Amino acid sequence: IAGITQAPTSQILAAGRRMTLRCTQDMRHNAMYWYRQDLGLGLRLIHYSNTAGTTGKGEVPDGYSVSRANTDDFPLTLASAVPSQTSVYFCASSPLAGGTDTQYFGPGTRLTVL
Amino acid sequence: GNSVTQMEGPVTLSEEAFLTINCTYTATGYPSLFWYVQYPGEGLQLLLKATKADDKGSNKGFEATYRKETTSFHLEKGSVQVSDSAVYFCALGPYSGAGSYQLTFGKGTKLSVIP
Repeated sequence: IAGITQAPTSQILAAGRRMTLRCTQDMRHNAMYWYRQDLGLGLRLIHYSNTAGTTGKGEVPDGYSVSRANTDDFPLTLASAVPSQTSVYFCASSPLAGGTDTQYFGPGTRLTVL
Repeated sequence: GNSVTQMEGPVTLSEEAFLTINCTYTATGYPSLFWYVQYPGEGLQLLLKATKADDKGSNKGFEATYRKETTSFHLEKGSVQVSDSAVYFCALGPYSGAGSYQLTFGKGTKLSVIP
């Protein structure tokens, strides 16, 4: 059982370039999330999806977009990367939407924007 | 809005020492509370959780009790091991029906256990 996979593991990107971070889960969870982790700031929610076909904005959505065409995949796109988007990005999922449910995290993508 | 405050690290302990990591929260209603752990180079994984007041979550020798009167969820372990070295995050989830699905995380506390 793979759980959640993320790709790439790490990436160095020139500012202004477009980048899509991939996230796939095989647990048939309804809800999925994207977080960024920055030193001293903990994890902050970028976007979420309660179920396939729906998405919502989290705490720090600017500069990012997501789609949820099916249950398993939840890609995160940076349309035009900027250095402040240098961070570690974690995808997560939970069986149901809502704050009482355990979230399961992927291994992360380390992104550096130069 | 919701917020979580946890003690700043890093925390360095000798093996078999007692561990406390403080966590307090501000929230509307009756949130669920979580401790997540992040081992080096890995994603976060749930350590324990409590969904209502006075509940005690426990796992791998760690415990935390949901204290509504003090709005706290302190993490404790009686005897830490080197393998417990990690970053620990306290998190808060909105109460059911709030219409929000966001977990609010503390900034994390790095624990190093030395032999």
